[in-house]
Amino acid sequence: DAKTTQPNSMESNEEEPVHLPCNHSTISGTDYIHWYRQLPSQGPEYVIHGLTSNVNNRMASLAIAEDRKSSTLILHRATLRDAAVYYCILRPSRGSQGNLIFGKGTKLSVKP
Amino acid sequence: GAGVSQTPSNKVTEKGKYVELRCDPISGHTALYWYRQSLGQGPEFLIYFQGTGAADDSGLPNDRFFAVRPEGSVSTLKIQRTERGDSAVYLCASSFQGVSGFDEQFFGPGTRLTVL
Repeated sequence: DAKTTQPNSMESNEEEPVHLPCNHSTISGTDYIHWYRQLPSQGPEYVIHGLTSNVNNRMASLAIAEDRKSSTLILHRATLRDAAVYYCILRPSRGSQGNLIFGKGTKLSVKP
Repeated sequence: GAGVSQTPSNKVTEKGKYVELRCDPISGHTALYWYRQSLGQGPEFLIYFQGTGAADDSGLPNDRFFAVRPEGSVSTLKIQRTERGDSAVYLCASSFQGVSGFDEQFFGPGTRLTVL
């Protein structure tokens, strides 16, 4: 499975936008880009996914580079509750065995 | 509706003992996954069920680990002759189908296993 690279940690101020980067230079044409996050003492939760076009949902936006070798998760107004570890994960669109392959993710700290 | 639940939330056992960890997936989800998470690391895949059968058990670390899902719903992860290195948070997840690249996985809160 293709590998992703994320910064170990990032800091943000409350109510400011946060841009979490992810590099995936070996992505294949049929890989979906998924983001999950894990709040302290909880299981991971799905945030957003995309293939080629930018995506928006109630939690976040996903900006995908034109060559798909990188993507950015955007939290438009960080809250204290957004402090979590954010994981960027690639998943083949078909023929997938189903499991997610997690890296170490980016630990986001949000300051009041 | 109810999410994925796991019991117990915490389990402390002694080295060499047998433990069972239970997962109740979301009703109607055919795919069920077990992951293990050590401190400071991302979750690591253990085993994946599609219905009642284990579709992929390549992540099980050795033959002391075994999992079942006899009726295609509840799953039990069984660990024999526990070792201190088995201490971790064991996470269960379920998804509607499991085989597509856009299938969302729903995780339970995990069971924290401590082997003394």
